[in-house]
Amino acid sequence: AQSVTQLGSHVSVSEGALVLLRCNYSSSVPPYLFWYVQYPNQGLQLLLKYTTGATLVKGINGFEAEFKKSETSFHLTKPSAHMSDAAEYFCAVRRVGFQKLVFGTGTRLLVSP
Amino acid sequence: EPEVTQTPSHQVTQMGQEVILRCVPISNHLYFYWYRQILGQKVEFLVSFYNNEISEKSEIFDDQFSVERPDGSNFTLKIRSTKLEDSAMYFCASSEAGETEAFFGQGTRLTVV
Repeated sequence: AQSVTQLGSHVSVSEGALVLLRCNYSSSVPPYLFWYVQYPNQGLQLLLKYTTGATLVKGINGFEAEFKKSETSFHLTKPSAHMSDAAEYFCAVRRVGFQKLVFGTGTRLLVSP
Repeated sequence: EPEVTQTPSHQVTQMGQEVILRCVPISNHLYFYWYRQILGQKVEFLVSFYNNEISEKSEIFDDQFSVERPDGSNFTLKIRSTKLEDSAMYFCASSEAGETEAFFGQGTRLTVV
């Protein structure tokens, strides 16, 4: 069975600091990997995804993530945090050939001035 | 930009009552999904629907749940006899194909009293 672990339910950074949100997955075969963001009172918005090809994936709003098969990780980073990045971030996996997304518990990013 | 819309945004119902949650997926999408998020917990997959039939479902999606595409635009989730533990945010999503990313609606918060 697939699972996703997001380390840290809350991450606090200062504006301008590096953002690092951790995601590790468990899967018998390399899955597709996703990061979604949820702003207050809104739905889930896709930030970026990895399916095949280049392991460093760039997404919207300056975020990127790197698929590391040897570490079964897909950590999300952004070089410089903005106040507008404050939201909840969800890592998710999907088995190739299936539609079901398996989500992590989410990490709430707090950005202070 | 095309989006998935859900109505209502918040629904309160009495235990034992039937409730129907409604969704309008993106118009050229062929796959439709329901997920739910109980307060403080992770987003969980309920069901996927393609070509007028369920293509995948989770163990949560038992006989009290059903989905339907009653016309060319709506996609509904029916809960026949609601329980207190059905209180959650329910997200509808759609994708162009099974292998492409899912776009989520803003959710319907269901409160069972």
